Amino acid sequence: QSALTQPASVSGSPGQAITISCTGTSSDVGGYNYVSWYQQHPGKAPKLMIYDVSKRPSGVSNRFSGSKSGNTASLTISGLQAEDEADYYCSSYTSSSTYVFGNGTKVTVL
Amino acid sequence: EVQLVQSGAEVKKPGESLKISCKGSGYSFTSYWIGWVRQMPGKGLEWMGIIFPGDSDIRYSPSFQGQVTISADKSISTAYLQWSSLKASDTAMYYCARLVGAGFDYWGQGTLVTVSS
Repeated sequence: QSALTQPASVSGSPGQAITISCTGTSSDVGGYNYVSWYQQHPGKAPKLMIYDVSKRPSGVSNRFSGSKSGNTASLTISGLQAEDEADYYCSSYTSSSTYVFGNGTKVTVL
Repeated sequence: EVQLVQSGAEVKKPGESLKISCKGSGYSFTSYWIGWVRQMPGKGLEWMGIIFPGDSDIRYSPSFQGQVTISADKSISTAYLQWSSLKASDTAMYYCARLVGAGFDYWGQGTLVTVSS
């Protein structure tokens, strides 16, 4: 069960929009609408930002949005802010009835 | 308020056994899956497995099957992650988290496990 593929790093200036991709296979990302995204600041526990591809938990800013096309899911952060600088991980349900994380993306706000 | 409170940091020697815990409160413990996630120093998140405390249904990641044991005691709303013989490579932060739908919505504070001779 290989980790989902994410870019190692993505950067953007304050106010810009950035998109993080998460590529899997038809046995995970492409096969189910069960992709979630997590934000992790250094030394902190991860925080759920998006679940079921595009749903936002209560309290999460609407600057965060999710989508999916085929075997690739995406997280878009619009109106980038300094506090968005963190590591981001995607996760997907799999055909083995388990879950798998992506390898993580470091977001830098320039 | 939903809370997951994990046991404290552990320092162990290779070959020793260990059981860490995750106590849930503020919700119906038997109605939600609880998962365990490993994060090795400076590395990413790894999904280890989940347990449904209501009936003790357990699913392991192939990477962790046979390496750890996940269990729960619903009478005290606590989930466990256990090793029978630790290795240096088990050194990591371990998180428990509650699964809602397909996302972990509440997380424990993490338990740091250090294995060193």
